[in-house]
Amino acid sequence: AQKITQTQPGMFVQEKEAVTLDCTYDTSDPSYGLFWYKQPSSGEMIFLIYQGSYDQQNATEGRYSLNFQKARKSANLVISASQLGDSAMYFCAMRNQGGSEKLVFGKGTKLTVNP
Amino acid sequence: DVKVTQSSRYLVKRTGEKVFLECVQDMDHENMFWYRQDPGLGLRLIYFSYDVKMKEKGDIPEGYSVSREKKERFSLILESASTNQTSMYLCASFMAASYNEQFFGPGTRLTVL
Repeated sequence: AQKITQTQPGMFVQEKEAVTLDCTYDTSDPSYGLFWYKQPSSGEMIFLIYQGSYDQQNATEGRYSLNFQKARKSANLVISASQLGDSAMYFCAMRNQGGSEKLVFGKGTKLTVNP
Repeated sequence: DVKVTQSSRYLVKRTGEKVFLECVQDMDHENMFWYRQDPGLGLRLIYFSYDVKMKEKGDIPEGYSVSREKKERFSLILESASTNQTSMYLCASFMAASYNEQFFGPGTRLTVL
């Protein structure tokens, strides 16, 4: 069964510093994708970054990068140079490919950026 | 722009009522999902569908059913609403066999009194 684990209910970071949000996953499928979403207090889900299970390089999107360690089944999100607007809930998600594609989420991490 | 819409942003119902939550997407996506979101529990998958008339149970299907009669529309049904179904309900869709992002609706906050 697919499972996503986010062990940090809350994280605090100073403005302009980097922060790592942890995500581990479990799946028996060889082909899958990993996603990170941001959910501000307004409630919309904002896609941040994607990593495929066969991708050789870690994904990056602007200030976001994904530290993908396949053997350890981890997909941590790194946010560099934190900004006050980064304060939000962050969700890690996984989707298998082929057959019925099930998309599952972790419980989320609430990030607070302090000035 | 891809659009996923949900029929209501806020809904208040009484215990025992039958409740319909509608989700419509305009991008011809095969896959559609219903989640409920509760503080500290993240997004939990209720049901999903990968084609018209096809459905699969997610992790918490009890008390819910779904309908997918047309490709663009995925309905979540609470046969007899209970107070423990008070929650935020999110719909999502994506194209099959692609690794494009998933698209979410704005959510329906359901309160069952």
